[in-house]
Amino acid sequence: GIQVEQSPPDLILQEGANSTLRCNFSDSVNNLQWFHQNPWGQLINLFYIPSGTKQNGRLSATTVATERYSLLYISSSQTTDSGVYFCAAVFSGGYNKLIFGAGTRLAVHP
Amino acid sequence: NAGVMQNPRHLVRRRGQEARLRCSPMKGHSHVYWYRQLPEEGLKFMVYLQKENIIDESGMPKERFSAEFPKEGPSILRIQQVVRGDSAAYFCASSPGTNGYTFGSGTRLTVV
Repeated sequence: GIQVEQSPPDLILQEGANSTLRCNFSDSVNNLQWFHQNPWGQLINLFYIPSGTKQNGRLSATTVATERYSLLYISSSQTTDSGVYFCAAVFSGGYNKLIFGAGTRLAVHP
Repeated sequence: NAGVMQNPRHLVRRRGQEARLRCSPMKGHSHVYWYRQLPEEGLKFMVYLQKENIIDESGMPKERFSAEFPKEGPSILRIQQVVRGDSAAYFCASSPGTNGYTFGSGTRLTVV
């Protein structure tokens, strides 16, 4: 069935380190988004990126739709980057709803 | 543009009571989605609505849960006769179509 898989499930970084989070999806997508859920539970939209590459400050994302994966890059990590990062996709074929991965839990230590 | 507004932010109910969660979509968005997040888990799709219509309720529990999005006013997620297992964060999202979903801050339901 349709599914979104994220790796790694957990990640611990020292402040200043870089990291790459991966999202694999099982079928063609019309929409792919990356979200950050902060420790207070708020869900922040980072990128809408069904294909291509986008950058926003220290964060960037790349989706290779033909190979069914997306990557989120975090550079020069800060403690405020801690939280859970979710990838979510709207699959082609009439599924007009976001399907979420299980998330990558990131802890950045000073 | 106020974004997606959910209220209340926190809701405490005793077992057997009813919980009503409200969601006002972003201006211009006619698609509303409800998701549930259990502690330490990801978000699970519950229901997708457009004005006055339920489009996809494949993620809704068969009993006690209902949702509506009337012609006027916010979308409502209703949980009747709540049980402890209903304790979770309930998120609402809206979109103008299939692109660019925006989420509200969620309602954290605690059943005691």
